[in-house]
Amino acid sequence: EPEVTQTPSHQVTQMGQEVILRCVPISNHLYFYWYRQILGQKVEFLVSFYNNEISEKSEIFDDQFSVERPDGSNFTLKIRSTKLEDSAMYFCASGRELGSQPQHFGDGTRLSIL
Amino acid sequence: QQQVKQSPQSLIVQKGGISIINCAYENTAFDYFPWYQQFPGKGPALLIAIRPDVSEKKEGRFTISFNKSAKQFSLHIMDSQPGDSATYFCAASKTGAQKLVFGQGTRLTINP
Repeated sequence: EPEVTQTPSHQVTQMGQEVILRCVPISNHLYFYWYRQILGQKVEFLVSFYNNEISEKSEIFDDQFSVERPDGSNFTLKIRSTKLEDSAMYFCASGRELGSQPQHFGDGTRLSIL
Repeated sequence: QQQVKQSPQSLIVQKGGISIINCAYENTAFDYFPWYQQFPGKGPALLIAIRPDVSEKKEGRFTISFNKSAKQFSLHIMDSQPGDSATYFCAASKTGAQKLVFGQGTRLTINP
């Protein structure tokens, strides 16, 4: 069964540094998402991406964050000038259709900011 | 109005028993209600989902019950097994929207 793959599985970064989290969505999917899960808390929506542009974003997704689909297969989340509170699991998801349809999640990248 | 409230936070059930997790929502525009299962170190995996035009959906040992008037839905796991031990999240979204709104999660432990 096709999977969403994320790399790296764990990223340790010094506060203030930039980090890029990478995702390869399922190949025939058109909608791409990033979610965040702070340890012990619920999964929170960050941003959705369709047709090479952001289609929706949460209040968490401020100017510190950006997303990109640099080629036909990868989808990246960049966090500039990382803060301690950015430490979390970051999940990429993809879906074939808009709205009420299954989103398939990757296994996440654990981001630790020191 | 965007919240989905989930209970209980944690649940311990004996092997063979029935596990029940409940969720409530406020936004009547929500029209898609999935349940995700998450094992430690893994991402959420879609377990089962329901739309509000039906009151119940069953897939194997997993059943979603949906009460549109009460704006509540629940997951029932019949004949619970130790391998079902995981964190379960309910979620909701609406047609045309992008995001899933997740509940707080329930950590389920099935004792052998």
